[in-house]
Amino acid sequence: TQLLEQSPQFLSIQEGENLTVYCNSSSVFSSLQWYRQEPGEGPVLLVTVVTGGEVKKLKRLTFQFGDARKDSSLHITAAQPGDTGLYLCAGARDYKLSFGAGTTVTVRA
Amino acid sequence: DVKVTQSSRYLVKRTGEKVFLECVQDMDHENMFWYRQDPGLGLRLIYFSYDVKMKEKGDIPEGYSVSREKKERFSLILESASTNQTSMYLCASSLGEAGGMWTDTQYFGPGTRLTVL
Repeated sequence: TQLLEQSPQFLSIQEGENLTVYCNSSSVFSSLQWYRQEPGEGPVLLVTVVTGGEVKKLKRLTFQFGDARKDSSLHITAAQPGDTGLYLCAGARDYKLSFGAGTTVTVRA
Repeated sequence: DVKVTQSSRYLVKRTGEKVFLECVQDMDHENMFWYRQDPGLGLRLIYFSYDVKMKEKGDIPEGYSVSREKKERFSLILESASTNQTSMYLCASSLGEAGGMWTDTQYFGPGTRLTVL
């Protein structure tokens, strides 16, 4: 079983729509990272959140770390085809980083 | 820009062969990592290294070994390849900041897709 559960597994939306990806766990993490991976490439870090309740914005992307530091969400406003990719969350706990299985996002033009 | 390169993008090997996957980073990073990525399972840590000649087991080290003789190079070795080791292998490196290895930004290579027949 995954320490971090991501939902949904797949998401296909039209350009201009909003979307939210969730990353949940029953465990507490000292920090949580979000990565995006495009086909044929390695993951690239988008953001690291470290404080419970923290909200970070990166242009049209909004990241939130839950108050109890067990969950996180990624919200994309007015999605564009360039947002297409595999979104991975990763939590730091017990001196290691555990990854979720990822959410595949497809934004249709 | 940090660059992490992996020796091959695609590799096909036969069961029982010894396989070497090479990873090189050009930013003098302290930490290096090997992961495998499988559909529905995400990334799983095989081994990591925080210094030259130092190595630590990750979550799934069985069937693998590693070597770090120089700071910039981290090799993953499959002693006797098996079909269940068919996967995407990703190498990563991180700077080694005071905040701790596991909150550092990890920079990933493009991956090696290994098929074992």
